[in-house]
Amino acid sequence: ETGVTQSPTHLIKTRGQQVTLRCSSQSGHNTVSWYQQALGQGPQFIFQYYREEENGRGNFPPRFSGLQFPNYSSELNVNALELDDSALYLCASSFEKGGAKTQYFGPGTRLLVL
Amino acid sequence: SQQGEEDPQALSIQEGENATMNCSYKTSINNLQWYRQNSGRGLVHLILIRSNEREKHSGRLRVTLDTSKKSSSLLITASRAADTASYFCATDRSSNTGKLIFGQGTTLQVKP
Repeated sequence: ETGVTQSPTHLIKTRGQQVTLRCSSQSGHNTVSWYQQALGQGPQFIFQYYREEENGRGNFPPRFSGLQFPNYSSELNVNALELDDSALYLCASSFEKGGAKTQYFGPGTRLLVL
Repeated sequence: SQQGEEDPQALSIQEGENATMNCSYKTSINNLQWYRQNSGRGLVHLILIRSNEREKHSGRLRVTLDTSKKSSSLLITASRAADTASYFCATDRSSNTGKLIFGQGTTLQVKP
């Protein structure tokens, strides 16, 4: 158990809908990163938030957006869902911006888009 | 896109044997990390090795890093059935940002 929680655990949506996924970071951690993991693939970096500001983004379209709150929890929003958005979405938290750091991952939210 | 590749993609061994997984990457890095994932669940951090380190140990795990060859290996000694999982290497390319680039993973099966 890493102390990082995600909700919901599973979600089914239809194409074109919008979805919000939530992540509570480990106590004391102020950085949250989101990853998408398609079946049989390694996770791909979506974006990172540090102290409520976006701090880098991977190769994902603008319909993937996020927020980080003052308590450092975070949301991932995906608009206009496509079938290829079906994946396991993982969030990871870490402490501070600098220095080599370990990422602590949550259990993930499995999203199925029909 | 993935930063690197793991080799082999799948590995099946008997309990008690050693398992070696390799990872290659393409760009310069600050550190490389190995993670484990059970059945599509969350990732568990195993070990972090910095770019100026060549070898690191943690329990039954041994990681090596060769920055000249842009490669790393993970050795699990005296494997157990509970080690059955997917193993991923991930690189942190610049400024230790924690923005990890993962490989495709190696699926390890340890038969009792």
